[in-house]
Amino acid sequence: AQSVTQLGSHVSVSEGALVLLRCNYSSSVPPYLFWYVQYPNQGLQLLLKYTSAATLVKGINGFEAEFKKSETSFHLTKPSAHMSDAAEYFCAGLQGAQKLVFGQGTRLTINP
Amino acid sequence: SQTIHQWPATLVQPVGSPLSLECTVEGTSNPNLYWYRQAAGRGLQLLFYSVGIGQISSEVPQNLSASRPQDRQFILSSKKLLLSDSGFYLCAWSVLDSLIYEQYFGPGTRLTVT
Repeated sequence: AQSVTQLGSHVSVSEGALVLLRCNYSSSVPPYLFWYVQYPNQGLQLLLKYTSAATLVKGINGFEAEFKKSETSFHLTKPSAHMSDAAEYFCAGLQGAQKLVFGQGTRLTINP
Repeated sequence: SQTIHQWPATLVQPVGSPLSLECTVEGTSNPNLYWYRQAAGRGLQLLFYSVGIGQISSEVPQNLSASRPQDRQFILSSKKLLLSDSGFYLCAWSVLDSLIYEQYFGPGTRLTVT
């Protein structure tokens, strides 16, 4: 069964610094993986997805993620943090055709 | 374009009272529909999903139930709320996109049981 682990429940970076949010998965092959963002009291918005095509996936708002099979990882990065990036981020994996399995989430804080 | 609505946006209910949360999707046909719960400080837990009218799969045993009376309507219910039912409830829909079912989420309902 698919499981997803996000390392670090809270990450804090300075504005303009690199953002790195970590996600590891365990699943049968092939894994379909997603990153979602949630702003306070709102639903989830899809940032990007990996579907066994290119290992480097580019998403919205300048985010990207790299699928590394050898490390079973799908870490989310952004070269330069912006204040508007402050939110909670969820990594998720597709289990079967219907079910998303979510990590516990990482709250990203941006310091001015 | 497709949109998903949830109401109410917020709800405060006493313990033991009934619950009905509604989710509707516009702009698509025969979507798969999902209910998730997000408890404070925790990730999202899938509660129910539906692949068609009247077809409900339950993921977690609890005092909640779901129904799908129409193609694009999904309802989450309870006969008697518990304190532990408090949380943020999210509805989602999906259709097959290339190889996979990509899920799109609604704005959520914040439920506080007092």
